[in-house]
Amino acid sequence: DAGVTQSPTHLIKTRGQQVTLRCSPKSGHDTVSWYQQALGQGPQFIFQYYEEEERQRGNFPDRFSGHQYPNYSSELNVNALLLGDSALYLCASSLGQGYQETQYFGPGTRLLVL
Amino acid sequence: ELKVEQNPLFLSMQEGKNYTIYCNYSTTSDRLYWYRQDPGKSLESLFVLLSNGAVKQEGRLMASLDTKARLSTLHITAAVHDLSATYFCAIGGATNKLIFGTGTLLAVQP
Repeated sequence: DAGVTQSPTHLIKTRGQQVTLRCSPKSGHDTVSWYQQALGQGPQFIFQYYEEEERQRGNFPDRFSGHQYPNYSSELNVNALLLGDSALYLCASSLGQGYQETQYFGPGTRLLVL
Repeated sequence: ELKVEQNPLFLSMQEGKNYTIYCNYSTTSDRLYWYRQDPGKSLESLFVLLSNGAVKQEGRLMASLDTKARLSTLHITAAVHDLSATYFCAIGGATNKLIFGTGTLLAVQP
């Protein structure tokens, strides 16, 4: 049973560029959430996708956008990259939006913006 | 503002000793999660606590939840080096958005 997978594992970009990160949820899961974890901090919620729609959003600017496909995989797009966007980006999946569902996290994509 | 605070932020322990990590949160929540993160790695789910008075144990780790006090504890018994990691607590809302604490870096020394 495949767990949550993310690609790429590492990425280096320069300021002003755009980046797309990808996530495949755990088998059987249909909800994908994205988190940003800066060095030495706890993960911060970016947004959540369910049934191909953004259902919740954290305190992140519009430069951060996403998409969910019919197969439940998801993308996180960040435009006009800033140095402060350097972080570990984590994808988490769960089944539905039931509040008792545990979220399973992927290995993350480490983004460095120069 | 919704806040989740952990203390201590850093904990250096000797092997064989016991200690407790505390997690306080600022709003009502009946779900409390504990995660472990090794350096450069993702988050590993340890415990999900769903009701007041819930207690769960796995090996040398035991977690408890007091929803009235808005407090969860992670107790470490007879620490071993393999437990060295960063531990996060998180509370969950109605749609599974997680709010994480600041994390506790645990270093177990021989």
